[in-house]
Amino acid sequence: EVQLVESGGGLVKPGGSLRLSCAASGFTFSNAWMSWVRQAPGKGLEWVGRIKSKTDGGTTDYAAPVKGRFTISRDDSKNTLYLQMNSLKTEDTAVYYCTTGIAVAGTTGYFDYWGQGTLVTVSS
Amino acid sequence: SYELTQPPSVSVSPGQTARITCSGDALPKQYAYWYQQKPGQAPVLVIYKDSERPSGIPERFSGSSSGTTVTLTISGVQAEDEADYYCQSADSSGTYEVFGGGTKLTVL
Repeated sequence: EVQLVESGGGLVKPGGSLRLSCAASGFTFSNAWMSWVRQAPGKGLEWVGRIKSKTDGGTTDYAAPVKGRFTISRDDSKNTLYLQMNSLKTEDTAVYYCTTGIAVAGTTGYFDYWGQGTLVTVSS
Repeated sequence: SYELTQPPSVSVSPGQTARITCSGDALPKQYAYWYQQKPGQAPVLVIYKDSERPSGIPERFSGSSSGTTVTLTISGVQAEDEADYYCQSADSSGTYEVFGGGTKLTVL
């Protein structure tokens, strides 16, 4: 059974930093392209960014609102995905989901497995 | 930046057909995917590659594509289908993923 378990959420002040983790199991993590998707309270889904598998280059891409502030990384030896969030803003307040799925035609593709999400609140 | 446009809300009576559209300039080039999200839960994939249905998703869910618009159709809507629905696709470069703003389906 595929499981994605996020952790590390909490309350942080504007300008602060936070690192989220996502522990994966039930599939070959090292072969998977992994993404983070967030959802602000009462709002829609927003793709945050993606890291490819190392065999596909291990490269990352980010949505414009977080580029330069957020960094996605992975530790295949620990089956764990990370999201380092720096220079946090109030508008980054959201539930952050770890997701994976199937890459399609060179794109990130679709997400058929999701974690339960972890809440990040940025407030003074 | 690239955007996918969905109607904010759709309402249907039980047993009727609900159609939710998603428009975007790159949709003729990129596949679209659809998710169902109920309150307090993570999204669930209901359609992939425009019209394919994952195992375990009821046959009443279907997808189609025409030009710059993709459509999620729910035939014979049931009360349990009341949820938010989101489309997702990539921009024209294939680098960045985007979600539509979401459509709240209300079963009257």
